[in-house]
Amino acid sequence: SAVISQKPSRDICQRGTSLTIQCQVDSQVTMMFWYRQQPGQSLTLIATANQGSEATYESGFVIDKFPISRPNLTFSTLTVSNMSPEDSSIYLCSVHDRDSHLANYGYTFGSGTRLTVV
Amino acid sequence: ELKVEQNPLFLSMQEGKNYTIYCNYSTTSDRLYWYRQDPGKSLESLFVLLSNGAVKQEGRLMASLDTKARLSTLHITAAVHDLSATYFCAVAGAQKLVFGQGTRLTINP
Repeated sequence: SAVISQKPSRDICQRGTSLTIQCQVDSQVTMMFWYRQQPGQSLTLIATANQGSEATYESGFVIDKFPISRPNLTFSTLTVSNMSPEDSSIYLCSVHDRDSHLANYGYTFGSGTRLTVV
Repeated sequence: ELKVEQNPLFLSMQEGKNYTIYCNYSTTSDRLYWYRQDPGKSLESLFVLLSNGAVKQEGRLMASLDTKARLSTLHITAAVHDLSATYFCAVAGAQKLVFGQGTRLTINP
């Protein structure tokens, strides 16, 4: 399955600033996903990033707050803009890839970015 | 809209006991996933269930899928402390995953 490198692993940011999170995949993948996991909660999908087109955002998430780039099939960034303490969460990227050995279509996750806004 | 519900949300059990986590979902899907998450870590894939009646086992964990009942179970046999973690099921719908709330499992000696 795909291997994802996500950075930074954690950051502490001042309110009103922005943070860009990067995900690099070791193979070409069509679809990349960005999730938010608030403290003690489950994962919520922010948006789906497709190469060559604008990201598709889920209800409750907007491009001005969470702009996403997808310049090629192995890389994507998520920016958390104009941060407030409510944005303190773990942000994870994920790809939908095929495990050729098991012939299963799976979803692999990056290591996550733990963001604290003060 | 696809909804996924897990129960229980919290589970404290003794080592050596057996227990089951349930995952119900609201609309038809043919792919269900189980993940494990340790505190402060990302998600580790446990099982991918692709068809009705699918059963997969790895060590003390066994997962099954009943697409007609829209139900998956994760069964823990003879629990050991190392299995303490949060377990999520997730269902594929419209090419994206919808997650259950997670089950926080604590196994006591």
